[in-house]
Amino acid sequence: DAGITQSPRYKITETGRQVTLMCHQTWSHSYMFWYRQDLGHGLRLIYYSAAADITDKGEVPDGYVVSRSKTENFPLTLESATRSQTSVYFCASSESSGGATDTQYFGPGTRLTVL
Amino acid sequence: QKEVEQNSGPLSVPEGAIASLNCTYSDRGSQSFFWYRQYSGKSPELIMSIYSNGDKEDGRFTAQLNKASQYVSLLIRDSQPSDSATYLCAVKALNSGNTPLVFGKGTRLSVIA
Repeated sequence: DAGITQSPRYKITETGRQVTLMCHQTWSHSYMFWYRQDLGHGLRLIYYSAAADITDKGEVPDGYVVSRSKTENFPLTLESATRSQTSVYFCASSESSGGATDTQYFGPGTRLTVL
Repeated sequence: QKEVEQNSGPLSVPEGAIASLNCTYSDRGSQSFFWYRQYSGKSPELIMSIYSNGDKEDGRFTAQLNKASQYVSLLIRDSQPSDSATYLCAVKALNSGNTPLVFGKGTRLSVIA
């Protein structure tokens, strides 16, 4: 059982280029999330999705675009990469949101460097 | 703005000692509380979740919740060097709809052999 995977694991790109980070989960979880993690800021939510074709902004959505045509995939696109988007990006998923139990499980992360 | 506060550390404890990690939160409606461990260069992994006041034990780990004081803690007994990591506290309000977890910035724990 692969769980949740991310690709690529490492990416170097240049300012102004479009970059897409992929996230795939095999649990059929309804919810999926994208975070970025930077020193001094901790984990910050970029976007999340409650189901296919339902997405919502998190704390730091500017400069990012998401889509979710299938339950298992949740790609994150940087339309025109900037140096400030250099970060480690984590995808996560959870089974539910209502009630008391909605544990999020994280993918291995993508380390993105924008030159 | 819902906030989750943690001491950034580093918290240094000798091997075999009890490590105590603390977390406070601002939203009184919070109902779900999680502790994640993150090794350097790795992704966060869930250690424990707690939903009711009191203690919850799992092996060497004990989570403690006090909703009146808006305080949640994680105790690690018989600390091992392999416990050295950053520990993230995460909080969610019940019936907050789609509102995801709010994470603290984490406490770095160093267990000295």
